[in-house]
Amino acid sequence: EDKVVQSPLSLVVHEGDTVTLNCSYEVTNFRSLLWYKQEKKAPTFLFMLTSSGIEKKSGRLSSILDKKELFSILNITATQTGDSAVYLCEAPGSARQLTFGSGTQLTVLP
Amino acid sequence: NAGVTQTPKFQVLKTGQSMTLQCAQDMNHEYMSWYRQDPGMGLRLIHYSVGAGITDQGEVPNGYNVSRSTTEDFPLRLLSAAPSQTSVYFCASSYSRGPSSYNSPLHFGNGTRLTVT
Repeated sequence: EDKVVQSPLSLVVHEGDTVTLNCSYEVTNFRSLLWYKQEKKAPTFLFMLTSSGIEKKSGRLSSILDKKELFSILNITATQTGDSAVYLCEAPGSARQLTFGSGTQLTVLP
Repeated sequence: NAGVTQTPKFQVLKTGQSMTLQCAQDMNHEYMSWYRQDPGMGLRLIHYSVGAGITDQGEVPNGYNVSRSTTEDFPLRLLSAAPSQTSVYFCASSYSRGPSSYNSPLHFGNGTRLTVT
């Protein structure tokens, strides 16, 4: 059975800290891994990773995929209170099991 | 751009009642799906559709029906509501999903918070 595990489940930091969120996966027919940010409502797309070792970057956020060790990390540098959200990792496999992790709740304190 | 529109935003049902959650997208996406989100369990796939006239079950389909008569609309029907169906429901669409694609990102609606008493 396909599985996506995120860690930690929750994280509390202060503004300016750097955080690393983890996502490991065991997915048949793996082709891509996606990160989303969920504030109060709908998840919104951050990154899609298809190739191992190539970093995707957007401002203070970056992500990388390791297809050999079956994991991805999402880094956020110089965190701000606006980064507070649930971060979701998705590793689609077979269509019936488009698999999300349970998410990491990030709280950034001023 | 409207994107993915879900209605209603909130709904309270009594056990045994039925209702339909509406979902429409204006991006001409072939792929649409319904998820439920419960605390600590992430997003779980209920049903999905890869195009008009085609639907299939996801991880947790029991108690729900779907249909896809047009590319734009993908309603979710609760046949006989149960307290276990209390959850937040999200509809999502994507340009390309399937065994021969890279699985393009999902675009989500704003969700429906359903309470069954």
